[in-house]
Amino acid sequence: DIQMTQSPSSLSASVGDRVTITCRASQSISSYLNWYQQKPGKAPKLLIYAASSLQSGVPSRFSGSGSGTDFTLTISSLQPEDFATYYCQQSYSTLLFTFGPGTKVDIK
Amino acid sequence: EVQLVQSGAEVKKPGESLKISCKGSGYSFTSYWIGWVRQMPGKGLEWMGIIYPGDSDTRYSPSFQGQVTISADKSISTAYLQWSSLKASDTAMYYCARRNDGDYSAEIDYWGQGTLVTVSS
Repeated sequence: DIQMTQSPSSLSASVGDRVTITCRASQSISSYLNWYQQKPGKAPKLLIYAASSLQSGVPSRFSGSGSGTDFTLTISSLQPEDFATYYCQQSYSTLLFTFGPGTKVDIK
Repeated sequence: EVQLVQSGAEVKKPGESLKISCKGSGYSFTSYWIGWVRQMPGKGLEWMGIIYPGDSDTRYSPSFQGQVTISADKSISTAYLQWSSLKASDTAMYYCARRNDGDYSAEIDYWGQGTLVTVSS
């Protein structure tokens, strides 16, 4: 099975900060990596797919990069509505997606 | 508009059976895989398994194989997740989710609103 790790597990940041979250896969997954945002009491929302493609309707301050085993989600200027938990997910293992443990972004 | 609408919250006792549902609309239900995701209280997302409603091809994550059953009724555009004997540890929010396949990608583009299952004596 492909295992996913994320760092950090949590971070505190201020509005306007640049925030970077890292995701690592236990084996190469090419660019089959997605990022989701989840707010309390809500279903997750797709932000980035295929490592770097921005989902329709998602603000351009969100970006993704990486391939192989190491990936990054960047929020260029954190906004109040961005305080949430972020999950990476591999889709290389075609029918057995795996999520990372999540990174909680809260207000400093 | 694509929608996945899940059945309502459930409160059950240990040992009871349960079947929750996820009704798709606004797209060709038989053409997209539907997955199920568990989120235990205060915890992260866990992939349980997935079904292709077109032919009912079903795959389970090893952690959930034998613990739940995933099924679908394409005539009413509905997927199901069921338990034969619930445990307290099954207490969680359960999401259904539509998998979208691109040329070089596969992602969950639509999610149900979640079904909260509480198992308590």
